[in-house]
Parts: sequence; structure tokens; C-alpha cells
Amino acid sequence: TQLLEQSPQFLSIQEGENLTVYCNSSSVFSSLQWYRQEPGEGPVLLVTVVTGGEVKKLKRLTFQFGDARKDSSLHITAAQPGDTGLYLCAGVHTSYDKVIFGPGTSLSVIP
Amino acid sequence: ETGVTQTPRHLVMGMTNKKSLKCEQHLGHNAMYWYKQSAKKPLELMFVYNFKEQTENNSVPSRFSPECPNSSHLFLHLHTLQPEDSALYLCASSPTQGAPIYGYTFGSGTRLTVV
Repeated sequence: TQLLEQSPQFLSIQEGENLTVYCNSSSVFSSLQWYRQEPGEGPVLLVTVVTGGEVKKLKRLTFQFGDARKDSSLHITAAQPGDTGLYLCAGVHTSYDKVIFGPGTSLSVIP
Repeated sequence: ETGVTQTPRHLVMGMTNKKSLKCEQHLGHNAMYWYKQSAKKPLELMFVYNFKEQTENNSVPSRFSPECPNSSHLFLHLHTLQPEDSALYLCASSPTQGAPIYGYTFGSGTRLTVV
């Protein structure tokens, strides 16, 4: 069974703070995706990282794919209340069309 | 507007009821998915349809019955559910099943409560 672990499970921070959340697996993935799910809504795709060591930036969000393509991190700079939500990572196995979701990190940014 | 619309948004049903969840996408995608999201658990893939054909059934109990009349519409028919089936049911679509790298577009989900 392929599993994706995410840490921390819950995170509550003050507005303006920086944070990093992690996504780890023992499996190698073709690519990895990050989604954000706001309360009462479905997940929304933020980014896909494909190459080991790749770094992508989306405004205040920085995503990194591990060199071995088994793990990834999401760093948020100067968090804002609008960043509140459940952050899901999803590992993609292109060779057999599988997408494995992690359990998510629930982030709460307090004004 | 995400391009994937799910109805109803909330549903409360008794264990002996029959109800259906509806999903519609206007993105021109050919693959559609049903996922179950329970608290503190990863998204569980239930069914996959690619070009209207069911390509995956992840050992889902027969009390859940999917239907895909065309590439734009997906239904999940429910009957004699159990309280543990209470969850958020998410529909998603993608250009095709064979290209997961493009990611999924999810609907807002149906919050199902079985009483």
C-alpha cells in the first residue's frame, strides 16, 4: 500500500508568520500536486511539481519537490487569513494512472 | 464557479431511503471521478469513468451505484446506506484518465448524513 504522510496534521498561527508543511512517502512519484480545500468547498489545484529538486513559487507560496521525488514541502511566507484551509498533497504515478492523496494539513491563520 | 457542479450540497437520508447525487462538468473533460472524504482520512477513490466507460471500482459496496450517461454527467445512486457512509462526496474531472499530471477539477461536494 502506498501512503502519503503529511505533517503537521493541524497548524494554527498568527497572521504574518511563516510556516512549512511537509508531504512524505516511501514511494517515488512521477510528479506531485498540492491542493487547497477551503471549508465547504472541494480541493483546488495549486501546483504540480515534476522534476526532482524543482522549486515553484506562487506569490507567497513556495513548493519544493525532493531530489528523490519521494517528498515535498510547502512554505508560506507572511500567512494571511485567506490562506486558511486544508492543504492536500497528491502523488502521481503516470505509468499506471494513479493519484494518491495524503490526509492533509489543516491550517488556520488567525487575524 | 469551478466548472464542476454538484447537487445537492447537503443531503440527510434515512438508512432505507434511495437518493442520487449529481455531478456536471462543462470543461470538455473526458474522465470523471467519485471520491469519498471522511474526517482525518485521505481522499478515497470510489469510481472512475473515462469516455463514459467505468474503468475503476475500488471495491465499493453495491449500495453505491454510479452512472455516467455522457462525458459531462455523473451520478451516484444511493440505497440502504449505513451511518458510516456519512461523509463529503466529491466529484472530479480531468482531461482524460491517462493524464493525471494535469490534475483534477473538483466540485464543491455533497455533504451526506445518514441517520
